[in-house]
Amino acid sequence: KAGVTQTPRYLIKTRGQQVTLSCSPISGHRSVSWYQQTPGQGLQFLFEYFSETQRNKGNFPGRFSGRQFSNSRSEMNVSTLELGDSALYLCASSFISGGAGEQFFGPGTRLTVL
Amino acid sequence: QKEVEQNSGPLSVPEGAIASLNCTYSDRGSQSFFWYRQYSGKSPELIMSIYSNGDKEDGRFTAQLNKASQYVSLLIRDSQPSDSATYLCAVNPGANNLFFGTGTRLTVIP
Repeated sequence: KAGVTQTPRYLIKTRGQQVTLSCSPISGHRSVSWYQQTPGQGLQFLFEYFSETQRNKGNFPGRFSGRQFSNSRSEMNVSTLELGDSALYLCASSFISGGAGEQFFGPGTRLTVL
Repeated sequence: QKEVEQNSGPLSVPEGAIASLNCTYSDRGSQSFFWYRQYSGKSPELIMSIYSNGDKEDGRFTAQLNKASQYVSLLIRDSQPSDSATYLCAVNPGANNLFFGTGTRLTVIP
């Protein structure tokens, strides 16, 4: 069974630009959660999509948004990039919504904002 | 108070010893608990999940859950240098998604 895939793996952007990250979950999983990981803050929950609906949202500004398609693939968008948005962005797929079930992470997208 | 707390370490153990990693959580209604291993530069890898009080064993790994004390631990028996990584504790409080601890860095000394 193929694992979670994320594209691109690396991104370099400048302040003020926007970026779109993509995540394809494990086949059969309808939940996709997004996390931001930084050395100072650790892993922080951004939002979760299940069956094309946002189910949960973390404490991040509205510049961070996402969506999910009918094939469960999800995209995350960050607009008006700031230096502090530099981080490893991880998506995780699960069979169950809401974090109650096991989540499997993709390799991540490392975003650098200059 | 943070939702999930772990000792950041580093924790150093000799090869072959038992490594004990601990985690406490604040939401008494939490029902799902997970341990992830993260090698430097890689993404977290799920190694254990536990949902009820007591011990759960999987190979060299044992997860222990005590809901009354709001405490979950991970024991690694016969530690190997390849176990050197950061171990993340994750808790689902029920209402939202997972809360992660900041991780404990484990070094196994050959």
